[in-house]
Amino acid sequence: AQSVTQLGSHVSVSEGALVLLRCNYSSSVPPYLFWYVQYPNQGLQLLLKYTSAATLVKGINGFEAEFKKSETSFHLTKPSAHMSDAAEYFCAVSDRFGDYKLSFGAGTTVTVRA
Amino acid sequence: DADVTQTPRNRITKTGKRIMLECSQTKGHDRMYWYRQDPGLGLRLIYYSFDVKDINKGEISDGYSVSRQAQAKFSLSLESAIPNQTALYFCATSDQGAEAFFGQGTRLTVV
Repeated sequence: AQSVTQLGSHVSVSEGALVLLRCNYSSSVPPYLFWYVQYPNQGLQLLLKYTSAATLVKGINGFEAEFKKSETSFHLTKPSAHMSDAAEYFCAVSDRFGDYKLSFGAGTTVTVRA
Repeated sequence: DADVTQTPRNRITKTGKRIMLECSQTKGHDRMYWYRQDPGLGLRLIYYSFDVKDINKGEISDGYSVSRQAQAKFSLSLESAIPNQTALYFCATSDQGAEAFFGQGTRLTVV
């Protein structure tokens, strides 16, 4: 079964600094990959997705992620953090040669310092 | 109106009680999911359904059951609730290979 590992359960950045959240997947065949964001007391919202088109994927709110097959990674970045980026972020994988069900990483909580 | 609606949003119940969490969606998707969220563990899949006649166990199905009443409705039941089932529960829906759309969650506390 597909799985994802998110490195770092908590990330703290200064406002205006780079945000980098790491995600690695376990598969020899590239799956579909997703990043979701969860704001306090809310459900999950899709930030961006990779479905085997362009390897650099742009999402909402200035986030982007790059798919690197050689590293089995799909790291999420944002050049300049804003206070409103404080949230929990989840990487998820969908096995496109299986039944496509979504499996999630453990999540990374981002705090933004003024 | 929300694409995925969960009821109730919050519930406190006693150990041993039966409880049902309901989910309905207006996206017209065939696939529906129930996840449980616990701090530090991310979202873990309880059950999923790819159409009305298809029900599949996820990674943590013990102690739970589901019913797919219609394409748009997927309910989760705890037959005899226990305290370690205290968690945030999410329902989601998707097309095959596409992103999932989530409800707002149900915060369940078992005392």
